[in-house]
Amino acid sequence: DTGVSQDPRHKITKRGQNVTFRCDPISEHNRLYWYRQTLGQGPEFLTYFQNEAQLEKSRLLSDRFSAERPKGSFSTLEIQRTEQGDSAMYLCASSSGQHNTEAFFGQGTRLTVV
Amino acid sequence: QQQVKQSPQSLIVQKGGISIINCAYENTAFDYFPWYQQFPGKGPALLIAIRPDVSEKKEGRFTISFNKSAKQFSLHIMDSQPGDSATYFCAANVNQGGKLIFGQGTELSVKP
Repeated sequence: DTGVSQDPRHKITKRGQNVTFRCDPISEHNRLYWYRQTLGQGPEFLTYFQNEAQLEKSRLLSDRFSAERPKGSFSTLEIQRTEQGDSAMYLCASSSGQHNTEAFFGQGTRLTVV
Repeated sequence: QQQVKQSPQSLIVQKGGISIINCAYENTAFDYFPWYQQFPGKGPALLIAIRPDVSEKKEGRFTISFNKSAKQFSLHIMDSQPGDSATYFCAANVNQGGKLIFGQGTELSVKP
């Protein structure tokens, strides 16, 4: 395992459909983060897990969004009833270490809602 | 207070020149300041990071300068190369967790 893996890399969906993304963090990293990045902007924090516990959710994460990390390893991010405004790159990152601050990012899932 | 403000939005530098990107923050609880490099279609990659107890950190051609009293920090890329052309993001870590607050990004173009 050489890095954070995200699947799929690209997803095109029709408005109103549900989509689910998967993130596999670096092995033994106990923290996993989801960010959203729109064109020309920096990544915006959505939520993060320490092991299987979801410790924080951003106000950006509406009730149509849900994230899970059931066994403290991989995580899924689901968007229900997608809207055009959900079109973005969804990035996953993981971290470990004494201060849990060095985060390594995956390549992202680019979502296009048509 | 959670914002990190980054400038300039875009930067063009000649090969061999120095690229300088600046960031400012308000939240004094921030205790970790990384810089990320992002190429098109890729996720951000950690470049270099600094903690507020030091004023400068250098790794190869990349240097972070940190001014705690002014709540500002900057990235200097010495001897800039065309391969450095990318988008650079500064970020700050919130005291109690690992989440990062990112700046808006600087698109760097290094001309040969």
